[in-house]
Amino acid sequence: DTGVSQDPRHKITKRGQNVTFRCDPISEHNRLYWYRQTLGQGPEFLTYFQNEAQLEKSRLLSDRFSAERPKGSFSTLEIQRTEQGDSAMYLCASSLLLQGNNEQFFGPGTRLTVL
Amino acid sequence: AQSVTQLDSHVSVSEGTPVLLRCNYSSSYSPSLFWYVQHPNKGLQLLLKYTSAATLVKGINGFEAEFKKSETSFHLTKPSAHMSDAAEYFCVVSYFGNEKLTFGTGTRLTIIP
Repeated sequence: DTGVSQDPRHKITKRGQNVTFRCDPISEHNRLYWYRQTLGQGPEFLTYFQNEAQLEKSRLLSDRFSAERPKGSFSTLEIQRTEQGDSAMYLCASSLLLQGNNEQFFGPGTRLTVL
Repeated sequence: AQSVTQLDSHVSVSEGTPVLLRCNYSSSYSPSLFWYVQHPNKGLQLLLKYTSAATLVKGINGFEAEFKKSETSFHLTKPSAHMSDAAEYFCVVSYFGNEKLTFGTGTRLTIIP
């Protein structure tokens, strides 16, 4: 399968624990994005990378959140000291930088439940 | 700030009848506009996109949308609904030089047999 993959698909954790999610983009894509989707809402932008550089972070990304893309391929999103409000679907997307084209391809998401 | 407004949170149509899902965007510079569909337990799939070429955009599964600058609208239509069209639909905007996508709140489409 050559689409965007995310792991795990589901994560249940207790409040205060740390969690880490992984995203593998489409192989030739140089941009990678993280979004968060809460129940009944559209996805909200969190951050994005071009190759290994993190170029933009949303105000939604508190200091408990950190994202990395160390080799410009896969990315990880870590949430420290999880809170119940962090419960959401975390979506990853990737795209290929081309002039005038910002088509993003989404993975299936990781559903986080914080108890 | 860029934004989109989806005017209906829920639309129900009978199978075989036309579908209209409404979207308005905030008018700043030249937008790129998209419609994405999300089926239960599946990832977001791009239906169609407008990027300043033809104003009438055709997408997958018989959907199309028309960019109307004077009305700042980008409504999604389909002539004849199919049961498999039941899903959540998101209108999305981005602007040149700003890489993030801004999603609307979604419209849930229900198809009545």
